[in-house]
Amino acid sequence: EVQLVESGGGLVQPGGSLRLSCAASGLTFSDYWMTWVRQAPGTGLEWVAKIKQDGAEKYYVDSVKGRFTISRDNAKNSVYLQMNSLRAEDTAVYYCASSRYCTDGVCSRFDYWGQGTLVTVSS
Amino acid sequence: QSALTQPASVSGSPGQSITISCAGTSSDIGGYNFVSWYQHHPGKAPKLIIYDVSTRPSGVSNRFSGSKSGNTASLTISGLLAEDEADYYCSSYTNSNTRGVFGGGTKVTVL
Repeated sequence: EVQLVESGGGLVQPGGSLRLSCAASGLTFSDYWMTWVRQAPGTGLEWVAKIKQDGAEKYYVDSVKGRFTISRDNAKNSVYLQMNSLRAEDTAVYYCASSRYCTDGVCSRFDYWGQGTLVTVSS
Repeated sequence: QSALTQPASVSGSPGQSITISCAGTSSDIGGYNFVSWYQHHPGKAPKLIIYDVSTRPSGVSNRFSGSKSGNTASLTISGLLAEDEADYYCSSYTNSNTRGVFGGGTKVTVL
């Protein structure tokens, strides 16, 4: 059974930092692109950052460029999201999701998802 | 505002069929056969239920079916069950610089 388990969410003040982690099991992790997708309260899904199987390509949504950094460790079957200079509008549940097939950072589907971790940015 | 447009809610009685629409453009839904649908029970992991417009992953009930016409994709749930009550999201491959689009989600209520 494939499992993606996120951790690292919590309450942080505006301008603060958090590092999210996603541990994968039950799949050949190095075969998959990994994406962080978020859902702000009352809104739909939005992809935030993506990383290629070997880490050679990374993509970010415009609103987080320069503030968030995605990375992965294939030896640990894990992907990370370092979030700096957090803003109230970053408040959301953050999901990690895996994709086998992506071209130039555009994925045809997200095969597996985690349950998410809540990030709340508030003073 | 999401790039793909879905109705906010759809409801139906047990045993009925419902259809959720997902409207896009020629840059996404209309240009590619890479539409996917996800079922999300709040507090749980979203689940892929349709990919490549109409393909069901192994283990997904054949009560779920997908289709596309022009710039609009559709998800049909037949023989509605109480367990189908959830949020449903569409997504599509796109050639825009957004590198991926989701719909705003549709809440399905089983009456």
